[in-house]
Amino acid sequence: QKEVEQNSGPLSVPEGAIASLNCTYSDRGSQSFFWYRQYSGKSPELIMSIYSNGDKEDGRFTAQLNKASQYVSLLIRDSQPSDSATYLCAVPTWGGATNKLIFGTGTLLAVQP
Amino acid sequence: KAGVTQTPRYLIKTRGQQVTLSCSPISGHRSVSWYQQTPGQGLQFLFEYFSETQRNKGNFPGRFSGRQFSNSRSEMNVSTLELGDSALYLCASSSTGTGFQETQYFGPGTRLLVL
Repeated sequence: QKEVEQNSGPLSVPEGAIASLNCTYSDRGSQSFFWYRQYSGKSPELIMSIYSNGDKEDGRFTAQLNKASQYVSLLIRDSQPSDSATYLCAVPTWGGATNKLIFGTGTLLAVQP
Repeated sequence: KAGVTQTPRYLIKTRGQQVTLSCSPISGHRSVSWYQQTPGQGLQFLFEYFSETQRNKGNFPGRFSGRQFSNSRSEMNVSTLELGDSALYLCASSSTGTGFQETQYFGPGTRLLVL
């Protein structure tokens, strides 16, 4: 089992719809979770971080965390064509003296105008 | 604050050569991590440096090495390049690299093509 798993997609949604991106992780001890957005040919940029069970909202983005189910999701409301990108779920894993980010393979989101 | 910078942005090398990539972290950040991104393997952790010391290393061969200078700038070196080393190499900086809530900020990356 991979440490962080995501559906690779592509996930296609019409403009204005809600896009739901999912991520599962294997380490029950994981304490924090990050969503990065990566446009084609660009580097990842942080969208959201979440540390506690429940929902965290930031503008059109909502991150949801369920530690019991080892599941974290990202909802994008009122999806725009500019949201079309690959969304990466990342989980810090303690490795000796520091954290390293373990990334899922990413979900490609395509928002259709 | 200026973001993470990486040089060069693009590089073409031939098999057997070596390459050095540079990364300057966000001012005040002392932890620098390096990642390799390929279409087949995704984003994979290479190593992390803090105060000129390598604290963590991923599962890459010894041809991949790095170092950090006293101003927190970091370099990574790949010797005896192989075709499979073609990738986007990303540098990320964070404050200390130890807080579980600490965010890693990525630079623009160096795209390496090995012919």
